[in-house]
Amino acid sequence: AQSVTQLGSHVSVSEGALVLLRCNYSSSVPPYLFWYVQYPNQGLQLLLKYTTGATLVKGINGFEAEFKKSETSFHLTKPSAHMSDAAEYFCAVSRGSYIPTFGRGTSLIVHP
Amino acid sequence: NAGVMQNPRHLVRRRGQEARLRCSPMKGHSHVYWYRQLPEEGLKFMVYLQKENIIDESGMPKERFSAEFPKEGPSILRIQQVVRGDSAAYFCASSEYGQDLIGGYTFGSGTRLTVV
Repeated sequence: AQSVTQLGSHVSVSEGALVLLRCNYSSSVPPYLFWYVQYPNQGLQLLLKYTTGATLVKGINGFEAEFKKSETSFHLTKPSAHMSDAAEYFCAVSRGSYIPTFGRGTSLIVHP
Repeated sequence: NAGVMQNPRHLVRRRGQEARLRCSPMKGHSHVYWYRQLPEEGLKFMVYLQKENIIDESGMPKERFSAEFPKEGPSILRIQQVVRGDSAAYFCASSEYGQDLIGGYTFGSGTRLTVV
């Protein structure tokens, strides 16, 4: 079985500030982990993914995430927020025979 | 190289009518997944299909909902006798590989169903 918990349904930051979106997972097998971004009235776009290898994963638009097995976490970060980063972000876990499970999403609000 | 195409983008139905949502996967993708997104909730898995086969429908409501992915043409999610609670965004995703999603999904832009 697998599950995803995203802490905080809304995260608010100022433009230029650090972005940190939290994701914790549970999985009975080594997981594949994903972050997706959804802009208003659009579908989800893949930001980055972890499958195997290096635990620090870099994605598009300056985002990165680190897989920490000991903490069962895959938090998403960006050093400096931009207004265009305002969107809904979803963490997802999958592996093997499991259909990916998505978290509830975190809405990122960026203030000027 | 067109992405996942969903139509219509917006669909309004009166209670009791039928809703038909279409999804054409990316070229070369033979695995299709339907998800539903309710307000203030995440994406909930509904059904996973390959051509002419339903692989996993564990997330589908037992009544009124059905899905198909014929040999030719798009995948169809069909909701009969819609109720207000069916109002949601329905997303289709496709992948080249099945269950072990190394590449991750490619999502369509969704169909926003409103039941009035």
